[in-house]
Amino acid sequence: DGGITQSPKYLFRKEGQNVTLSCEQNLNHDAMYWYRQDPGQGLRLIYYSQIVNDFQKGDIAEGYSVSREKKESFPLTVTSAQKNPTAFYLCASSLKQANQPQHFGDGTRLSIL
Amino acid sequence: GENVEQHPSTLSVQEGDSAVIKCTYSDSASNYFPWYKQELGKGPQLIIDIRSNVGEKKDQRIAVTLNKTAKHFSLHITETQPEDSAVYFCAALPGGYQKVTFGIGTKLQVIP
Repeated sequence: DGGITQSPKYLFRKEGQNVTLSCEQNLNHDAMYWYRQDPGQGLRLIYYSQIVNDFQKGDIAEGYSVSREKKESFPLTVTSAQKNPTAFYLCASSLKQANQPQHFGDGTRLSIL
Repeated sequence: GENVEQHPSTLSVQEGDSAVIKCTYSDSASNYFPWYKQELGKGPQLIIDIRSNVGEKKDQRIAVTLNKTAKHFSLHITETQPEDSAVYFCAALPGGYQKVTFGIGTKLQVIP
């Protein structure tokens, strides 16, 4: 079955550490996205990529970094510069054409130790 | 940029009753409106969508209506069941670009 796989499901980070969240898709989608979800705030866009080796900042990119070396993969690094990293992180992908729905993974919950 | 407002933030209905969630958007260029259902600990799943050339779309117990003049769209769930309990998000996309603006979500509780 095609879909989006996020790993791990739960992740713990110590103060001052960088952590990387994995996102893999086998839907042959060109575009991929990272969102952060906090209670009562809906989904906020961190980074997105419409093609391999290219990505753009979303609304809350500070303290995060991404890479897009392969079409299938779009890892997100939460750096030590992100002062409030505890959240539920969602990865999504879509076809690049206009008016196409995004398909989401089941998320990674990041907590600070 | 686009701004999507969603109401209510929480909604409780008795099993078998209908539920309605409403969203408004600000960008008249938006022309695609998906709705997502998110169960606890999972990612949002697309349940229905509507494009701006259509005023209403129905899929079994779920329907969506769109009023482009008033810039609002609504989700209607009829004959609600306990498994409909979840958080529902509306969203809007401007044409030709994939940046989605989501509403804040509505937590629906269906009481058996």
